[in-house]
Amino acid sequence: EAGVAQSPRYKIIEKRQSVAFWCNPISGHATLYWYQQILGQGPKLLIQFQNNGVVDDSQLPKDRFSAERLKGVDSTLKIQPAKLEDSAVYLCASSPLVGLASHEQYFGPGTRLTVT
Amino acid sequence: AQSVTQLDSQVPVFEEAPVELRCNYSSSVSVYLFWYVQYPNQGLQLLLKYLSGSTLVKGINGFEAEFNKSQTSFHLRKPSVHISDTAEYFCAVSSYNQGGKLIFGQGTELSVKP
Repeated sequence: EAGVAQSPRYKIIEKRQSVAFWCNPISGHATLYWYQQILGQGPKLLIQFQNNGVVDDSQLPKDRFSAERLKGVDSTLKIQPAKLEDSAVYLCASSPLVGLASHEQYFGPGTRLTVT
Repeated sequence: AQSVTQLDSQVPVFEEAPVELRCNYSSSVSVYLFWYVQYPNQGLQLLLKYLSGSTLVKGINGFEAEFNKSQTSFHLRKPSVHISDTAEYFCAVSSYNQGGKLIFGQGTELSVKP
């Protein structure tokens, strides 16, 4: 079974530029999460999708961050314009929809963003 | 709201020695508990989980953890560590009424020395 795929793995941009990250979850997983992991900290949830609907985006900085999950499969996370403090690893995770297994998340390798 | 505290930011240990990584949580509702491991430049891999049933859970790579509800703890243990266990370890909680969202601790860096 293929895992969660993310691209690119690394990205370096200047502040005020825009950037987009892509995630393809495990086949059949209805729930998709984006987390931000700043160096030295644990991951923090940015947004959670169930199919193509948003479940939780309470910690997404909506003035600069946006995310979509068209057709309920893969997802993109965009930052426009980027700030220095956005430097972090962006992790995508997915989980099944129902049952206790819905609480077990599978993570992709992450995208390391450096804003200069 | 839930929170997770990992009591040690760094744990150095010699190879073949036992290790315990400590995790305490705070929550007003029942929780599910997880330990994830992160190797350099990689994503998170699930080590073990407590969802229900026995409070002693066994995971991959010889790790185990015990859920202690009265002390709100979920400490991770391994009786004999290897060099390859060197990594960052994260404790996390979710609650059944919050749609699977994970709240992570700050992480513990385990460094195994020969």
